[in-house]
Amino acid sequence: QLQLQESGPGLVKPSETLSLTCSVSGGSISSSLHYWAWIRQTPGKGLEWIARIHYTGSNYYNSSLKSRVTISVDPSRNQFSLTLRSVTAADTAIYYCARRGHDYGGAFDIWGRGTMVAVSS
Amino acid sequence: DVQMTQSPSSLSAAVGDRVTITCRASQSVDSGLAWYQQKPGRAPKVLLYKVSILESGVSSRFSGSGSGTEFTLTISNVQPDDFATYYCQHYNGVSYAFGQGTKLEIK
Repeated sequence: QLQLQESGPGLVKPSETLSLTCSVSGGSISSSLHYWAWIRQTPGKGLEWIARIHYTGSNYYNSSLKSRVTISVDPSRNQFSLTLRSVTAADTAIYYCARRGHDYGGAFDIWGRGTMVAVSS
Repeated sequence: DVQMTQSPSSLSAAVGDRVTITCRASQSVDSGLAWYQQKPGRAPKVLLYKVSILESGVSSRFSGSGSGTEFTLTISNVQPDDFATYYCQHYNGVSYAFGQGTKLEIK
């Protein structure tokens, strides 16, 4: 059973850079059939898709975050990562990594448990 | 970008009721519409995808329908385990958008 696990700092200072990693276990990230994504959840804005990537490196970003975000993949480590620059309190959220299911019409079929990130000095 | 609007934002139901949640898109969408269930402290779980295809292992009491700009999630014979928050999600081929959620509470 494929599983996803997010890791990263629970606290980041304003204006700094947030870095998160999603480790994939029980399966390979190097599947041509799947895409991998970061999604966050805040009480105010609900669920917000941030970015997605294919193991080949093909990526796409939410236009509202594109200027501050980088998503990357490391097939050798079976991981993908998120970098969010110049964070503010508005970036405080639970961050999830997820897999876009094959032939699911864009739905995410497997999610990590999420990691809470607070932006505060 | 497509905006997804769910209604109602919350609703109360008794065990055994049938409930319907609506998701409206700001512009016509194709079949890239999914529904998720989320319980407190847990990640969302996909219930239906491509509008009406039931995810493996999900109860047949959940069903989805719709086209164009209006889609619905129906829960028949609501059970205690169904009390949760439900989200719709659209995919247009490049980006993804979620509705703001509908909280189903016990009456």
